[in-house]
Amino acid sequence: EAQVTQNPRYLITVTGKKLTVTCSQNMNHEYMSWYRQDPGLGLRQIYYSMNVEVTDKGDVPEGYKVSRKEKRNFPLILESPSPNQTSLYFCASGAGKYEQYFGPGTRLTVT
Amino acid sequence: GQQLNQSPQSMFIQEGEDVSMNCTSSSIFNTWLWYKQDPGEGPVLLIALYKAGELTSNGRLTAQFGITRKDSFLNISASIPSDVGIYFCAGQPGAGKSTFGDGTTLTVKP
Repeated sequence: EAQVTQNPRYLITVTGKKLTVTCSQNMNHEYMSWYRQDPGLGLRQIYYSMNVEVTDKGDVPEGYKVSRKEKRNFPLILESPSPNQTSLYFCASGAGKYEQYFGPGTRLTVT
Repeated sequence: GQQLNQSPQSMFIQEGEDVSMNCTSSSIFNTWLWYKQDPGEGPVLLIALYKAGELTSNGRLTAQFGITRKDSFLNISASIPSDVGIYFCAGQPGAGKSTFGDGTTLTVKP
């Protein structure tokens, strides 16, 4: 089944403790992206990647890192999480430049 | 970043009614996309628009890419209960970057 998977789906952590949210797609898509969604707001793009070893900042990249060493994986790294990074995070992938298929989301709470 | 104004913020309609929502921007986009999000899930792509003036349908859904490239609308005809959810527009100035509207929450009363 074609899908985008994220792990973990739920995470509660403390301020300053490094964490990684994994994202994997099995559709051989070149494009992958990370978003955060906060109550009452749309999705805000954090980082995106057009291909392996190619990453670019979205609108809200501060406090986040990404890497794209393989086509299928695009992990999101929070080196020192803070409470304002509490949010719902979505990973997405796409074959073309524009259409995106979203994962199920990761709900992160930073205390 | 670029801003999208999506309206209305919420809609309460009777089953069978038609629905219209729109997005406007001060910036030009090369692509407009419309997504639907159900509770607890990721957004699902409904319609993608690639050319100014383009009108595209997907079943009961119709969307248009504004001629100025700064706006788009989505219409849903003859709404049904499963249309309930949050609808998002997204504009893309070029490959890679995406800007989303804040969403329109649709409630359909049977």
